Amino acid sequence: QQQVKQSPQSLIVQKGGIPIINCAYENTAFDYFPWYQQFPGKGPALLIAIRPDVSEKKEGRFTISFNKSAKQFSLHIMDSQPGDSATYFCAASKAGGGADGLTFGKGTHLIIQP
Amino acid sequence: DVKVTQSSRYLVKRTGEKVFLECVQDMDHENMFWYRQDPGLGLRLIYFSYDVKMKEKGDIPEGYSVSREKKERFSLILESASTNQTSMYLCATRSGGVMNTEAFFGQGTRLTVV
Repeated sequence: QQQVKQSPQSLIVQKGGIPIINCAYENTAFDYFPWYQQFPGKGPALLIAIRPDVSEKKEGRFTISFNKSAKQFSLHIMDSQPGDSATYFCAASKAGGGADGLTFGKGTHLIIQP
Repeated sequence: DVKVTQSSRYLVKRTGEKVFLECVQDMDHENMFWYRQDPGLGLRLIYFSYDVKMKEKGDIPEGYSVSREKKERFSLILESASTNQTSMYLCATRSGGVMNTEAFFGQGTRLTVV
């Protein structure tokens, strides 16, 4: 049973456009929702994370929107650049601290065309 | 900066061999994780450990075991490697405490079983 569903699987956007990646979760025990960015040949790295007590979080050009009632969250990249081309993973984790593993979506391969 | 180091970037092993993947972290984190990453499937949790000599099964533990004799080192063991274990393996760490925290990943080990 897939607990975090991510879409789309791949996405191509022109430079300056706003790619949007969506995730939906099922487990209401999740209370931490990070996004990870992975470049080829590297491990994933944390991009931005949100907790369910807020509906939006911005860090630079990256924004997470969170809808608790719909159990959905999304990543928006403003003024996208070719250097943003990477694979993006949404994830979720239950309350209880870092001892619990993250449950990941299947990933979105994003290409920003110049 | 947190450093999570995996002992090999690339490994080629024969079917039936016993394979050890090593991971070392330098940030004194309590929690360590092993994931495998496959195209279209995202990251799936194999095993994790929240303390020395403690281990917990993740979502796909079959065919794997782990060892954590020291806090900084977490090993993944393939008792008898099979071709369906060809994959990218990622080690991650998280600090302890009651709040969810960032997971830090190693650069990955690409294992090919022939």
